[in-house]
Amino acid sequence: EDKVVQSPLSLVVHEGDTVTLNCSYEVTNFRSLLWYKQEKKAPTFLFMLTSSGIEKKSGRLSSILDKKELFSILNITATQTGDSAVYLCAVIRSNDYKLSFGAGTTVTVRA
Amino acid sequence: NAGVTQTPKFRVLKTGQSMTLLCAQDMNHEYMYWYRQDPGMGLRLIHYSVGEGTTAKGEVPDGYNVSRLKKQNFLLGLESAAPSQTSVYFCASSYRQFNYGYTFGSGTRLTVV
Repeated sequence: EDKVVQSPLSLVVHEGDTVTLNCSYEVTNFRSLLWYKQEKKAPTFLFMLTSSGIEKKSGRLSSILDKKELFSILNITATQTGDSAVYLCAVIRSNDYKLSFGAGTTVTVRA
Repeated sequence: NAGVTQTPKFRVLKTGQSMTLLCAQDMNHEYMYWYRQDPGMGLRLIHYSVGEGTTAKGEVPDGYNVSRLKKQNFLLGLESAAPSQTSVYFCASSYRQFNYGYTFGSGTRLTVV
């Protein structure tokens, strides 16, 4: 059975702090890993990672994939209160395109 | 573009009633998915479809049925609703290449009493 495990489950930081979120996976026929941000409503797409060691960056957010150790990290630098959300990790299988999510990490950024 | 539209947005059902949730996308996406989201459990895959006329079971398919008669629509049916099906339901769709990730609908909040 496929597994996507995110850690920590939740964390509280202050504005300006740096946050590192972890996602480990055990998936047969791995194709790609995705990160999403969810604030109250539907998840919004952040990154898709397919190759190991290549960092993807968007503003203060960055992510990298390690296909040997089967994990990914999402970093948020100089956090702002608007970064408060649930961050979801998901993996896609290449044989049947099943998309499975982890339970998410709740990030709370205090002013 | 409307993107992914889910109807209805809210619904209250009595135990044993049936209903259909509709997901419509106007992006010509091949892949479509139905998820349920419960507190502390993330998004769990119910059923999905990789093309018109095809469906496959996800992690929690029991009590649900789906159909994809048209490429743009993916229907989720509850045959006999149970309180355990109280949840927020999300539909998502994607191109085959996944280059832009998955687009989600705004969700349907279903309460079964």
